Formats: sequence, structure tokens, C-alpha cells
Amino acid sequence: AQTVTQSQPEMSVQEAETVTLSCTYDTSESDYYLFWYKQPPSRQMILVIRQEAYKQQNATENRFSVNFQKAAKSFSLKISDSQLGDAAMYFCAYRRWGTSGSRLTFGEGTQLTVNP
Amino acid sequence: DVKVTQSSRYLVKRTGEKVFLECVQDMDHENMFWYRQDPGLGLRLIYFSYDVKMKEKGDIPEGYSVSREKKERFSLILESASTNQTSMYLCASSLLAGDQETQYFGPGTRLLVL
Repeated sequence: AQTVTQSQPEMSVQEAETVTLSCTYDTSESDYYLFWYKQPPSRQMILVIRQEAYKQQNATENRFSVNFQKAAKSFSLKISDSQLGDAAMYFCAYRRWGTSGSRLTFGEGTQLTVNP
Repeated sequence: DVKVTQSSRYLVKRTGEKVFLECVQDMDHENMFWYRQDPGLGLRLIYFSYDVKMKEKGDIPEGYSVSREKKERFSLILESASTNQTSMYLCASSLLAGDQETQYFGPGTRLLVL
């Protein structure tokens, strides 16, 4: 079974600074997807970024980028130029390759605080 | 935009009551999911469905059942609520799109069982 671990229950960052959230996972599969989801206070969870394991290039979405280290089974999220609106719970998630409708396995979550 | 709605944002029930949580999506998605979210545990999958009248157990199905009579609606049922089912419940849906599949989440229902 796959597992996802987020070892930082809480993180904080100053506005305009950069912060990195950690995620490690365990799988015996060679192809899979990885995701970062954001859950703002009292608002719906939304997808931040996704990475296909076969792609060597790290995914980027505006101020959000990932550092995907397949051999180390590490998938960290970097938020540049942090904004107050980035304050949220962030979840790392794993999905098996090619199986539509398959489940997401989530980490425990990291609560990010952005200080003005 | 995909819209996933849940019938209640907050719900208070008594031990032993039968509880229905409903989820509706408006984008004709084949897949629908129910998760519970607890501090320090992340989201855990209770049940999911990939078609009308089809369901599969997730990681923590005990004490729950589901119903999917229409494509857009997926109900989670607590047959006899217990205090350890106090939690946040999240519904999600996704299109049967293989590699491009992305799950879209509802706002959540915070259930308190007294």
C-alpha cells in the first residue's frame, strides 16, 4: 500500500518570502501522479499543482513549483513571494498511474501561516 | 467551473441517529468520492463510486454505507451515528479522463455526534 508523509504539521513564512513544504511517499510502482492540494480556511480544497512521475521536469504553476526527487521519493512544494492568501492547509497526495477513478492517498497536511 | 455541493456545512446529531450526507456535482462526472478529514490524519477515503449504482470500499468503510442512484448525486449514510464519527466529511468528483483526471472537492460537512 502506498503511504504519504508530511512531517511538518505547521509552517510559517513572512509575506513576500519563500517557503518549502515537505512530502515523502512510499510506493513500489514506477509510474504514478503526485499532487499538492490547498484548503483555505472555511473554503473548498483546490488543486495547486500536479506531477507525473515519468516527467523529469519539475512542475511549475506561477509562484508554485515542486522539487520532485523520484529516487528519494520526495515531492516538496515551494511557494515563492508568499501572499496572505496562501495561508491554508496544504495536502500532498498520491495516485496510481493509468487507473481512472482510483483513489488519492493523502498526507497528514501542513498548516501554513503567512505573517504580514 | 465544476461545482460540487454538499447538503449541509454543519450538522449536529445524537448517538444512534441515522445520518444522511448528500453530495451533488453538476459536471457529469463519473467518479465520486467520500472522505473524512481529521486533524493529524489528513483525508481518508471512506467509499467511492465510478458509476451509477456502483460502489467500492475505501480505507475506512466501517460504520458507513453509500448510495448512488443518479449520476450527479452520491450519498453517505451513517446507519447509527457514534461519537467517533464526529469529523469533517468531504465529497469529491472527477471525470473519467485517465491521465487528466483531477478530483474536485465540495466545501465539506462538519458533523458533530453527541
